[in-house]
Amino acid sequence: EVQLVESGGGLVQPGGSLRLSCAASEFTFSSYEMNWVRQAPGKGLEWISYISSSGNTIYYADSVKGRFTISRDNAKNSLYLQMNSLRAEDTALYYCARATRGCKGATCHDILDIWGQGTMVTVSS
Amino acid sequence: AIQMTQSPSSLSASVGDRVTITCRASQGIGNDLGWYQQKPGKAPKLLIYAASSLQSGVPSRFSGSGSGTDFTLTISSLQPEDFATYYCLQDYSYPRTFGQGTKVEIK
Repeated sequence: EVQLVESGGGLVQPGGSLRLSCAASEFTFSSYEMNWVRQAPGKGLEWISYISSSGNTIYYADSVKGRFTISRDNAKNSLYLQMNSLRAEDTALYYCARATRGCKGATCHDILDIWGQGTMVTVSS
Repeated sequence: AIQMTQSPSSLSASVGDRVTITCRASQGIGNDLGWYQQKPGKAPKLLIYAASSLQSGVPSRFSGSGSGTDFTLTISSLQPEDFATYYCLQDYSYPRTFGQGTKVEIK
């Protein structure tokens, strides 16, 4: 079964660091772009980061730029999110999501077709 | 960043009702828009991409329309399993942005 499994969440103090992992299985991980999306308790979805299949192209939301670093290890079929200088507002369920192409006519669109179950990060003293 | 504004934020409807959710972009995004469904305790699931293309396996009662700045998700006949929260997501540019969500509740 194609799946993504996140890990690494937990309780951390403000200003602390945490590294999330996302393990991919049953698909050719190195061929896919990947994203991190988070959801604060009782709130909506927030896209936070993207990485290309090779790792050469990366984007971040302004809310995490300069504090979070996305990376991947294609040999290990794994995606990572290094989170530094954590704040209370970073408390959320963090999902990794695979991006693929949905094509309509001559144009193709990024779609998030496979999601993990999420890993919870709580930033509190 | 492009802002996505969904309305309403919540609605109550009955089984069999026709339901319409709208999403407005702060600038033109062509048809670079998807709709996702999220049930409590679950990850989001893609319903529609390219504003109107139905993802494989999604029931045909779901449809999407619109282009430019105004988009609509329609459920033609609401089923019990459709009670959930729905989000739009623009894939026109980075940073990607979601709408704030529309919770569809049972009347």
